[in-house]
Amino acid sequence: QVQLVQSGAEVKPPGASLTVSCKPSGYTFTDYYIHWVRQAPGQGLEWMGWINSKSGGTNYAEKFQGRVTMTRDTSINTAYMDLSRLTSDDTAVYYCARETGREGNNHEFDFWGQGTLVTVSS
Amino acid sequence: DIQMTQSPSTLSASVGDRVTITCRASQSVSTWLAWYQQKPGKAPKLLIYKASSLESGVPSRFSGSGSGTEFTLTISSLQPDDFATYYCQQYNSYPIFTFGPGTKVDIK
Repeated sequence: QVQLVQSGAEVKPPGASLTVSCKPSGYTFTDYYIHWVRQAPGQGLEWMGWINSKSGGTNYAEKFQGRVTMTRDTSINTAYMDLSRLTSDDTAVYYCARETGREGNNHEFDFWGQGTLVTVSS
Repeated sequence: DIQMTQSPSTLSASVGDRVTITCRASQSVSTWLAWYQQKPGKAPKLLIYKASSLESGVPSRFSGSGSGTEFTLTISSLQPDDFATYYCQQYNSYPIFTFGPGTKVDIK
């Protein structure tokens, strides 16, 4: 069965950088895009960007451009999301999610990781 | 950028009620819209894609409709497991995605 397993919770000081990993299983890693979505405490979902797991191509939300980098390692079937220059506003649960890849223009997210809580605090 | 709004922000309902949530887009997204359910401390779950297509395994009491700028998610008979927050998401502006702010369905 499809699963996306993320790395564990982190506490980071302001100004630091963050790396969250996402390791899917149950399907061919390179066949699907991976998206990253975050959710601040008590708030809604915020899309951050995606990575093409085959080519490594990326697209980031304008809000995060210059501060986020999404990569993947096909040798270990793992996707990564790096976020730099952290502030308290980056305190959130970070999710990875698989884009369905259904035919046509369908780009919804059918499987999600369990979430990684990131706390930015001095 | 396409902005999404949802109404109401909170909805109080009872088991067995018919519940309707509305999602509006600031410009047409055709039918490229999905609905997700999220329970506290859990990841979102896909319910509906392409505005009205039911995701495999999702109970048939969930349905979606709409096109262009106005969409609805309907739960025909609310069950105890349905108390959650619901989000719409547009992907017409691919490669850019936008979520709505969410609608919390709680117990009346």
